[in-house]
This record gives sequence, C-alpha cells and structure tokens, in this order.
Amino acid sequence: AQSVSQHNHHVILSEAASLELGCNYSYGGTVNLFWYVQYPGQHLQLLLKYFSGDPLVKGIKGFEAEFIKSKFSFNLRKPSVQWSDTAEYFCAVNVMNRDDKIIFGKGTRLHILP
Amino acid sequence: DSGVTQTPKHLITATGQRVTLRCSPRSGDLSVYWYQQSLDQGLQFLIQYYNGEERAKGNILERFSAQQFPDLHSELNLSSLELGDSALYFCASSAGRQGFGGNIQYFGAGTRLSVL
Repeated sequence: AQSVSQHNHHVILSEAASLELGCNYSYGGTVNLFWYVQYPGQHLQLLLKYFSGDPLVKGIKGFEAEFIKSKFSFNLRKPSVQWSDTAEYFCAVNVMNRDDKIIFGKGTRLHILP
Repeated sequence: DSGVTQTPKHLITATGQRVTLRCSPRSGDLSVYWYQQSLDQGLQFLIQYYNGEERAKGNILERFSAQQFPDLHSELNLSSLELGDSALYFCASSAGRQGFGGNIQYFGAGTRLSVL
C-alpha cells in the first residue's frame, strides 16, 4: 500500500540553524508531492508542491524541497530557520492520474528556540 | 483564511450519539475531502466527493458517512460514537478535475470532536 514516512517526529533547533526534514514515499509510479505546514492553532497550509519539471522546488517563507526519484524522497529544507517556523510539517503524496486522494505522513513537530 | 469554512469549531458529545459536521468549500471548488487527525494515527484521509458524487474512499468507518449537496457543501455524519472517535476533523477543497491528482487542497480550520 502507498505510504509516506517522515523520519523525524520532533525536531528542536535554535534560530538561524539549517533545517532538513526527511520524507520518503513507497509508491513507484508517477507522483505529485506536497509539503503542508500547520502553525499552532491554525489549519494546514501548502508550503510547496512538485508536479513535474525541476526537481528542486521553492515554496513560501524560504522553504525548498528536492525530489530525488531514485531515492523516493522529497526532503524539505530551509537554510536559516526563524522562531516563527515553529509548526508541524506534513509531507504528502498523490498518485498521479489515479484519483485525488492524498496520503499524508504522520508529521514532524518543529520547535525553534528563540 | 483558506476560504474553506467548517462548522462547528468544537463539538462535545457522549458515546453512542450521532453528530454532523459541515463544510463549505472555496468558491468554485468542486471537490471536498474529509480527514481525521488524531495523535496516534496522524492525518488520515476519509473520503472525497466531486461535484456531488463519491470519488475516493480512504479509512472511513462504516459508522461514518458523508454527502455533498447540490450547492457543493458537504456533511460528515458520525454515528454510534466511541471514545476513540475523538479527533480533529478537517475538510479540504480543491478545483478537482476528476481523476487528476495534481490539485492543491485548501484546508478548513477543522472541527474538534470530543466524545465523553
């Protein structure tokens, strides 16, 4: 069955540190990939997405992610985090042209120390 | 504000009861999705409707059902509630060309259900 794995459940960093959150998916076909963020008390918002083309995608708030097909990975990165990046981050996968169902990873809670 | 409206924000009820959660999608969006978020299971896809018809089904219990009305709003009905049904229920919407998975989903603020 299609699944999404986020390796880090809880990450604590200091401001200005670099961030990389891992995401791997299990499906071997063509996929659409997403990172969503949920700030405390708020709804999920799209950070960035990959549908096709350049495997390095840039999203909002300085985030980027790289799709590495051979590794079934879509890791999220940010060179220098801010306190306001404290949130929960979800990687998600959709199997292209099958249906609109999105499978989410279990999320990574990111806590930035001021 | 995502443009997706969910009501109520909070719901407290007892075991064995039935509740209805409501979702209004963004203007123009045809697809509505329901998700359950709990601490142990994470964010689980329940069901999707596209223009009034069921489009995809996930881990939705038989005690749960949903529908999408002609005005495109959707309702999720949860019956014979159990303690384990306590969770945050999210609705999302997308433009949703049928069968095309590349649609961005916009999420509502969720309904927090507490079953006592």
